[in-house]
Amino acid sequence: QSVLTQPPSASGTPGQRVTISCSGSSSNIGSHYVYWYQQLPGTAPKLLIYRNNQRPSGVPDRFSGSKSGTSASLAISGLRSEDESDYYCAAWDDSMSGQVVFGGGTKLTVL
Amino acid sequence: QVQLQQWGAGLLKPSETLSLTCAVYGGSFSDYYWSWIRQSPGKGLEWIGRVNHSGSTTYSPSLKSRVTILLDTSKNQLSLKLSSVTAADTAVYFCARGPGDSCFWDWGQGTLVTVS
Repeated sequence: QSVLTQPPSASGTPGQRVTISCSGSSSNIGSHYVYWYQQLPGTAPKLLIYRNNQRPSGVPDRFSGSKSGTSASLAISGLRSEDESDYYCAAWDDSMSGQVVFGGGTKLTVL
Repeated sequence: QVQLQQWGAGLLKPSETLSLTCAVYGGSFSDYYWSWIRQSPGKGLEWIGRVNHSGSTTYSPSLKSRVTILLDTSKNQLSLKLSSVTAADTAVYFCARGPGDSCFWDWGQGTLVTVS
């Protein structure tokens, strides 16, 4: 059971906007930045969003992040077939001397 | 552009010690945290622990009793040792670099370790 809660799956058609939620608590999302990672099959994860809503260079502006209280969301607009991937949220957690916690991951299918 | 290249034994027997190395090319150890993260087959990501450039470590509470992460600045290498492995430790193991928090900018290619 992951500390951060994500829906196991999400889907959309090309061009649509989809959102993926990430729910935590006061010891993680509530007091720390949220990061989002994209993982294509058989590859290492790639940083997609940092510090809640910042995009690294090279990440299309179709991807956006937001945070409110103890929850965060990743939004993908203008969905494309190449966005089909697994997405993970992550945050630092203050419990037990501190640790990184991940969401269980959301598999996005482009229909 | 930093590159992380990792290697280590891919097949272990129960009770043995997992040992992996991650070499850093094109980057400095200073001002970064160096982590190990694993992913069991078909599962999500699990953070194992990290070390900073001065050698200070933080481990996942669930693995703390079995994990050692070391930084060898003379060789530009990061290492992971996980003792007393079981089938539950079968996973792809990644090394990763970041400025701290849960931010990982750069990742190794991953090493599949099977315990059987």
